[in-house]
This record gives sequence, C-alpha cells and structure tokens, in this order.
Amino acid sequence: DAGITQSPRHKVTETGTPVTLRCHQTENHRYMYWYRQDPGHGLRLIHYSYGVKDTDKGEVSDGYSVSRSKTEDFLLTLESATSSQTSVYFCAISREGGADTQYFGPGTRLTVL
Amino acid sequence: AQSVTQLDSQVPVFEEAPVELRCNYSSSVSVYLFWYVQYPNQGLQLLLKYLSGSTLVKGINGFEAEFNKSQTSFHLRKPSVHISDTAEYFCAVSAHMNTGFQKLVFGTGTRLLVSP
Repeated sequence: DAGITQSPRHKVTETGTPVTLRCHQTENHRYMYWYRQDPGHGLRLIHYSYGVKDTDKGEVSDGYSVSRSKTEDFLLTLESATSSQTSVYFCAISREGGADTQYFGPGTRLTVL
Repeated sequence: AQSVTQLDSQVPVFEEAPVELRCNYSSSVSVYLFWYVQYPNQGLQLLLKYLSGSTLVKGINGFEAEFNKSQTSFHLRKPSVHISDTAEYFCAVSAHMNTGFQKLVFGTGTRLLVSP
C-alpha cells in the first residue's frame, strides 16, 4: 500500500469554524490531490499540487484553500466551514499527472453542524 | 467537456456468477480511461486503466474491461465474482483543464453486491 495518511480521520465541527485536514505521504510523489466524495456525485477534485508551493484549483474549489510547504504534506483548509462542506475528503498522490495511477488515502469524514 | 456515466447505481449478483458494470464516457478527443474500486471504509484503488493499444485491458482480481471507441464505452467485467468483490466501483476519464493539466473525472459509482 502506498504510504498515505490523513488526519484527522473523523471530525465534527460547527458552521463558521476553520478546519484543516492534513495529508501526509512517504512516497516522495510529485503530485497530490484533494477530492470530496458525496452521494450521487462520485469524487470531485478540489485542489491539486504539482510540487512544493505549486498548487491549482480543481472543479469545486470555492470555500477551500490548500498549502504545500513540503513534498510530503498537503493541507486542505476550510476557512469558515458550512454545512454544504459535510463530506468525505480523500487525498491522493501520483508520480506524474495525467494518466499516471493515483493512490488514495483512507479518507476523512467531516461533519459540519 | 469530458464526462462519465455509470447507468447502474447498484448491481446485485450471486457468488460465482458473471458481472458487467457499465461505463459510458463523452469526449471529442482521445482519452485515458480508468476503473477504481472502493472497499467499505477505504480509499480508492486502481483496478485497471486504458491508455492506448489493445482494447481489452486486464486488471487485478480477475477483472477486465473493453474499450469501445465507437460506442464510447468502457465496461468492466468479471466471469465469476466472489463475496469479497462487494464494493463500489468508479469509472473515470481523463480531462484537460484550462491550465493544460489532465484531471480525472469520476462517474457516480456502481455498488456491486455479491450474495451467497
């Protein structure tokens, strides 16, 4: 299994509070991704990173920001959580972009009350 | 824009029976196609992918998929399923973003339920 961990694994928070999710990899892969998984929508890309300090938006980036200060860590921040951000969040990594295989972390279940 | 349609949200099947999970995509350009599997309370893992060449792609755990360009399909098949194949299966297609980066666009998933 690819060495990807996500923390926390579960979190319950209240509307309006900031939340940071962490993804940590031990594979030294260049690309890292944050997805959210919702019933009826499959997985949707929030943000991705193609190197240290190099990030870009995905298809559902509103309300989210990311940072990557080290190769191994990719942080996802909800500046002011809303109930619509209740979801399961997955981090993924790949050596290259495009057709390269993505390896997924175990996920973080976030509930915003 | 590229998109993926998985017509069946749930497919019940008996153990040792064959199964086909359907995936159709829309794209006007050449694409890469993927099938990922998600076991309960886990992340996704790659079953197989089509990049080019032979249209029949073999993956892990006895699964295979056939790329059909004329029908824009990439159906997943297994000749004999096991209880342990119970999971959710996602089809995905590569899609170019404005930045030139290729992202994955996922279908909504098909839940395979294998019963004894």
